[in-house]
Amino acid sequence: GNSVTQMEGPVTLSEEAFLTINCTYTATGYPSLFWYVQYPGEGLQLLLKATKADDKGSNKGFEATYRKETTSFHLEKGSVQVSDSAVYFCALSDRDSGNTPLVFGKGTRLSVIA
Amino acid sequence: SAVISQKPSRDICQRGTSLTIQCQVDSQVTMMFWYRQQPGQSLTLIATANQGSEATYESGFVIDKFPISRPNLTFSTLTVSNLSPEDSSIYLCSVRGTANTEAFFGQGTRLTVV
Repeated sequence: GNSVTQMEGPVTLSEEAFLTINCTYTATGYPSLFWYVQYPGEGLQLLLKATKADDKGSNKGFEATYRKETTSFHLEKGSVQVSDSAVYFCALSDRDSGNTPLVFGKGTRLSVIA
Repeated sequence: SAVISQKPSRDICQRGTSLTIQCQVDSQVTMMFWYRQQPGQSLTLIATANQGSEATYESGFVIDKFPISRPNLTFSTLTVSNLSPEDSSIYLCSVRGTANTEAFFGQGTRLTVV
């Protein structure tokens, strides 16, 4: 079945450090890939997405590139801020009708210290 | 996109009682998904709710404990019955749009059982 594996946390970085959160997936066919962010006390928000190989999703300084050859979708940011402290989830969906739930990774907690 | 209103946002309940969570979507959707997020954990799918039919529950979740209603294409409720402290979690409802689209989430209900 489909699955998502992301790096274990927590990750603690100093402000302005470079961030990478690894995500790899197993899926049949060509899934769409997503990164979600959950700030403390809130629900999940879509951060970025990519729907086909070599697509790069980007938002708020975060980027992730859909790498079919390595089945990866690593999240990166060049300079993190304290406000980026949150839990980040990698997720995938099959190319389906939209009537199936996304498959989520376990989440990676990021703490950014000033 | 879809906007989901979920309530209550939080509640503290006595053990042995029940809590009903409501989820209202601003557009018609075929499927609605209910998740549980235990403290510090990822999302676990409880069930998928299709309008006009009984919800489909994931392994480990049963209708007697988590009855779900789906009276129309924009609304659903999840009840957590016979509460115990182990039910203390965040509960989230979610919908998706068409194929290859992301999932949208309510803001979550933080349940504490005392």
